[in-house]
Amino acid sequence: DTAVSQTPKYLVTQMGNDKSIKCEQNLGHDTMYWYKQDSKKFLKIMFSYNNKELIINETVPNRFSPKSPDKAHLNLHINSLELGDSAVYFCASSQDPGVANTGELFFGEGSRLTVL
Amino acid sequence: DAKTTQPPSMDCAEGRAANLPCNHSTISGNEYVYWYRQIHSQGPQYIIHGLKNNETNEMASLIITEDRKSSTLILPHATLRDTAVYYCIVERRGNKLVFGAGTILRVKS
Repeated sequence: DTAVSQTPKYLVTQMGNDKSIKCEQNLGHDTMYWYKQDSKKFLKIMFSYNNKELIINETVPNRFSPKSPDKAHLNLHINSLELGDSAVYFCASSQDPGVANTGELFFGEGSRLTVL
Repeated sequence: DAKTTQPPSMDCAEGRAANLPCNHSTISGNEYVYWYRQIHSQGPQYIIHGLKNNETNEMASLIITEDRKSSTLILPHATLRDTAVYYCIVERRGNKLVFGAGTILRVKS
């Protein structure tokens, strides 16, 4: 079983469209994230949710709206897509840091978004 | 901003140890050193982390200097499948990681 799964793996769309990327984790983790990796390969955190509540929002345009229906899912909806949104989007999850762990991230395989 | 400095790339012969350095001279007392890697077209993968002591797991060893200002990730017997970008990250908690440019490790036969 895939621990963190994202769909779709590839997405090609036109400027101005609205699209969603879904993410599910079966690890029982409390926290989920979205990261963006652009053409220069830098990975930047976008959002973090803990038990369905937003805890990190790293100055992402409000065209991006994460939605967490439950703690196993964190979906990313993007409105009015722009050329600069083309990137690979990674979902990740982690258990809350505690005595036994420091909250290592488990990443999905990525969703490559291409905006034409 | 990333708090670490890594060489942009390194080569290693297959079967030999790969030693990847990382400088983190501004690390604070409660910050951990994390290593992740990203194999081409895949999501980043956790490798190891440490605070003060050297650490070893089934994938790698992490050597942290006594002053904690630098560390080295050691892959004891590198294989072609270890070719990847390796990220050294310093963070207080592992769940808000800032990835820098990393080191491209090329393992060659």
